[in-house]
Amino acid sequence: GENVEQHPSTLSVQEGDSAVIKCTYSDSASNYFPWYKQELGKGPQLIIDIRSNVGEKKDQRIAVTLNKTAKHFSLHITETQPEDSAVYFCAASPVTGGSYIPTFGRGTSLIVHP
Amino acid sequence: DGGITQSPKYLFRKEGQNVTLSCEQNLNHDAMYWYRQDPGQGLRLIYYSQIVNDFQKGDIAEGYSVSREKKESFPLTVTSAQKNPTAFYLCASRGIMGNQPQHFGDGTRLSIL
Repeated sequence: GENVEQHPSTLSVQEGDSAVIKCTYSDSASNYFPWYKQELGKGPQLIIDIRSNVGEKKDQRIAVTLNKTAKHFSLHITETQPEDSAVYFCAASPVTGGSYIPTFGRGTSLIVHP
Repeated sequence: DGGITQSPKYLFRKEGQNVTLSCEQNLNHDAMYWYRQDPGQGLRLIYYSQIVNDFQKGDIAEGYSVSREKKESFPLTVTSAQKNPTAFYLCASRGIMGNQPQHFGDGTRLSIL
């Protein structure tokens, strides 16, 4: 089955700095890679996703890059703000027909200091 | 306003007691999922259902049971056989057409009295 490794487990940055979170996956059949943000006491919320036919995707201050050959993908947050503080999860999975069972990374706790 | 509703937000279980966590969605999604989240861990899959009246065990199904009698509802029962039930439980749903993402509820925190 799929195995997803996520690093770092904790990331502390100053407001305005950039933050990068990296994930590696093992199953070459995986073709869908979402990133979720989870605030304390809440459920994860999708912030950006990328499919295997795309190398990079950007949405305002957030970008995701995918290297299929190396089997890794990364989340980039620029100009970080205190409200970006949360736990971020990556996930990877093949999407086969209607079946979708993602494997999640263990999460990265991002702390943005004002 | 479409979404996933989990209730209750906090739940306490006595030793030897079964408890049921509710998950309702009005997104017209076919697939629904239950995850367990422990500190420092990712989300671990308990059960999932791709369609009404059908469900499959996930990685940590022992001590849990589910039903899927209606498309919009996927309740999870934590039985007395689950010896370490204290955790944050998350329900998710997904439309099965195309590469649609999962949508999550805001969770239920279960504690042992």
